Amino acid sequence: GAGVSQSPSNKVTEKGKDVELRCDPISGHTALYWYRQRLGQGLEFLIYFQGNSAPDKSGLPSDRFSAERTGESVSTLTIQRTQQEDSAVYLCASSQNLGGNQPQHFGDGTRLSIL
Amino acid sequence: QKEVEQNSGPLSVPEGAIASLNCTYSDRVSQSFFWYRQYSGKSPELIMSIYSNGDKEDGRFTAQLNKASQYVSLLIRDSQPSDSATYLCAVTEAGNNRKLIWGLGTSLAVNP
Repeated sequence: GAGVSQSPSNKVTEKGKDVELRCDPISGHTALYWYRQRLGQGLEFLIYFQGNSAPDKSGLPSDRFSAERTGESVSTLTIQRTQQEDSAVYLCASSQNLGGNQPQHFGDGTRLSIL
Repeated sequence: QKEVEQNSGPLSVPEGAIASLNCTYSDRVSQSFFWYRQYSGKSPELIMSIYSNGDKEDGRFTAQLNKASQYVSLLIRDSQPSDSATYLCAVTEAGNNRKLIWGLGTSLAVNP
């Protein structure tokens, strides 16, 4: 079956512009996660969604970052007024439910470069 | 501060040898443990999950969990050059199975 799909795969934009990244989870996966991975660094948790529950936004680094998800479908991560330090790969993952024994499956990521 | 620690490496082993990757975690009541492989420029992919003490084998991979010592390891038998990657350990956050705490990964190089 189809895996986690992210778009665009690459995005280059100028400092100060807004960007929107998209994630389409695996069908039937109720939990969705966003991570940031800077070059040579580890995974940095940003936010997760589970169904209609309130999302856990505890990892969002600033109010320039926001994310939405409608039900158990597509999610968008929006970065407003981008800064050079936002340059990173943004990874989306989904899992079957929020039980701890369900592994996360990752998309290929969006490589964001801020000029 | 809840942490997952891994030796950053690089760990270098000859082709055909056993590679041993180790991970310690700080939260005693974490319940689920995962190993992911990440090739350079690619996203993490799941290799193994383990939930109870002991060994779990899947092909050339064996995960070992010791909750008393707060230690989880991954053994790769008959290492191949294609195993060269960064291996990430992830542990569920105690009291909040909704989140994973990630190690920074160990870089493995298998030399032909």
